[in-house]
Amino acid sequence: EDKVVQSPLSLVVHEGDTVTLNCSYEVTNFRSLLWYKQEKKAPTFLFMLTSSGIEKKSGRLSSILDKKELFSILNITATQTGDSAIYLCAVRPGFVSSNYKLTFGKGTLLTVNP
Amino acid sequence: EAQVTQNPRYLITVTGKKLTVTCSQNMNHEYMSWYRQDPGLGLRQIYYSMNVEVTDKGDVPEGYKVSRKEKRNFPLILESPSPNQTSLYFCASSLSGGGGEVFFGSGTQLSVL
Repeated sequence: EDKVVQSPLSLVVHEGDTVTLNCSYEVTNFRSLLWYKQEKKAPTFLFMLTSSGIEKKSGRLSSILDKKELFSILNITATQTGDSAIYLCAVRPGFVSSNYKLTFGKGTLLTVNP
Repeated sequence: EAQVTQNPRYLITVTGKKLTVTCSQNMNHEYMSWYRQDPGLGLRQIYYSMNVEVTDKGDVPEGYKVSRKEKRNFPLILESPSPNQTSLYFCASSLSGGGGEVFFGSGTQLSVL
């Protein structure tokens, strides 16, 4: 069974700090890893990673995938209070699967204090 | 605007009273699915659909039904809701099952008393 483990489960930082969120996975047939930010309700898409070593970047957020060691990290630099949210990591299997479901980790709750 | 629309946003009901949560997407996506989110358990898939008239069970399908008569709609049906179905529900869609961004609806908070 596919498995995604995120760490830490919860993190409290001050504005301006840099944080690194971790996601490790075990999946039978890997296709992609996705990061989401969940504030009040619906998860909103951040990044999709399919290849090792290629950094995806959007403003202060960046992410990279290591397919050999089976993990990904999400970095947030110069954190702001608006970054406070649950960050979800999910993996999606490849074409041999009949169900392309996302398997989610339990998420990392990030709290950024002013 | 490209979106996945779920209704209702909040629903309080009683045990045994049939209900339907609607989901509609305007992106011509083939793949749609339902998830429930529970504290400590994360998001788990209930049912999915690869295309019109093609549906199958996810990880936690017991007590739920779905249908996909049209490409844009994927309603979730609880024939006889029970308190253990109290949860936050999300509908999701993507262009195809294997690739591309997965879009989520804004969620339905269901309480079964």
